[in-house]
Amino acid sequence: GQNIDQPTEMTATEGAIVQINCTYQTSGFNGLFWYQQHAGEAPTFLSYNVLDGLEEKGRFSSFLSRSKGYSYLLLKELQMKDSASYLCAVTRGNTPLVFGKGTRLSVIA
Amino acid sequence: DAGITQSPRHKVTETGTPVTLRCHQTENHRYMYWYRQDPGHGLRLIHYSYGVKDTDKGEVSDGYSVSRSKTEDFLLTLESATSSQTSVYFCAISEQGNSPLHFGNGTRLTVT
Repeated sequence: GQNIDQPTEMTATEGAIVQINCTYQTSGFNGLFWYQQHAGEAPTFLSYNVLDGLEEKGRFSSFLSRSKGYSYLLLKELQMKDSASYLCAVTRGNTPLVFGKGTRLSVIA
Repeated sequence: DAGITQSPRHKVTETGTPVTLRCHQTENHRYMYWYRQDPGHGLRLIHYSYGVKDTDKGEVSDGYSVSRSKTEDFLLTLESATSSQTSVYFCAISEQGNSPLHFGNGTRLTVT
């Protein structure tokens, strides 16, 4: 089976840095995805980690530790438009993604 | 944006009626998926397809059937809709089974 945990809600201040954690227990783990979903919209792909370490893409970075079953998404220089839900999803082999329940991030002034 | 179109975008139907949702892609991707999204549950896989006429069940497949007769179309059918199937339904596509998913804009279904 698969178990994916992420905090339900987080609040952070505009201009700050926020880290959204995701822990998973998955047999045959292959890789971990992060998606962003604004209210009322479809999820959009942010990042994909297969190997341990940090992947940086502009203001967003994603980290993976396979041995610890742990990932985080780091958002820097927060903007109001970053208010959204962030979804962690894992895959094993060629099977479809399994999603966590998502973390709703509110960015306040 | 990946070329994925879901129809209808909104639908209200009565309990016991059949409903078909359509997903159409122009990307020629092999894999297509149907997820439902509900508060407190996140995105859950209903069915997916890994080729024409090749489909498999997901986590919450009871009460749903699918068909894929062409690469570009993936249909989701609720044979007899129930109130528990009120949800937002997302179609997604990917090139490979472990490639990033690209989502359609969703269908909001209400069963009264």
